[in-house]
Amino acid sequence: DSGVTQTPKHLITATGQRVTLRCSPRSGDLSVYWYQQSLDQGLQFLIQYYNGEERAKGNILERFSAQQFPDLHSELNLSSLELGDSALYFCASSSRKVAGGSEQFFGPGTRLTVL
Amino acid sequence: GNSVTQMEGPVTLSEEAFLTINCTYTATGYPSLFWYVQYPGEGLQLLLKATKADDKGSNKGFEATYRKETTSFHLEKGSVQVSDSAVYFCALSKGAGGTSYGKLTFGQGTILTVHP
Repeated sequence: DSGVTQTPKHLITATGQRVTLRCSPRSGDLSVYWYQQSLDQGLQFLIQYYNGEERAKGNILERFSAQQFPDLHSELNLSSLELGDSALYFCASSSRKVAGGSEQFFGPGTRLTVL
Repeated sequence: GNSVTQMEGPVTLSEEAFLTINCTYTATGYPSLFWYVQYPGEGLQLLLKATKADDKGSNKGFEATYRKETTSFHLEKGSVQVSDSAVYFCALSKGAGGTSYGKLTFGQGTILTVHP
């Protein structure tokens, strides 16, 4: 158990809908990262927050947004969903603002299926 | 930009065989290098890491050495077990500067299956 929790585990929805994925980092970790894992794109970095502020953006679509709240949990919002958004979405946390050299701890993921 | 290339998979071995999974990277400066493992239905777990050239990371019988001259970080294990069956990801992260901020860049993953 990494100490990172993600809810829900599975999510099935229809095209055009909006969903919210939730992540609680390990106790004390200030950095939260979101990654998308799909068969065609592999594991890709989406976005990072540190202590409530956005720190880095990767291949995140404009239809997607995220935030980190004062209690450090984070939410990833996916809107106008398309079939191609079906993937595993992982959250990871790290104790450092800059994770170079330090470990990121991954949650179990949320599997999103868009029908 | 930064990138990681892993050997093509899947890899199928018999128990007690020697394992090598090749990983090479492209990055400016001095990235940190990682191997993560993903067991079926689970998230990623850090297997080992190395933060500077010639460092050797090791854990659970797995080893990898940070080779800057060949930009490689190959994963090895002398004797694999059935329980090692999983997907293995090589990854790199850079420190502060630009827009990196520690994000992980992953290779495509290598599926390892070990038979009794």
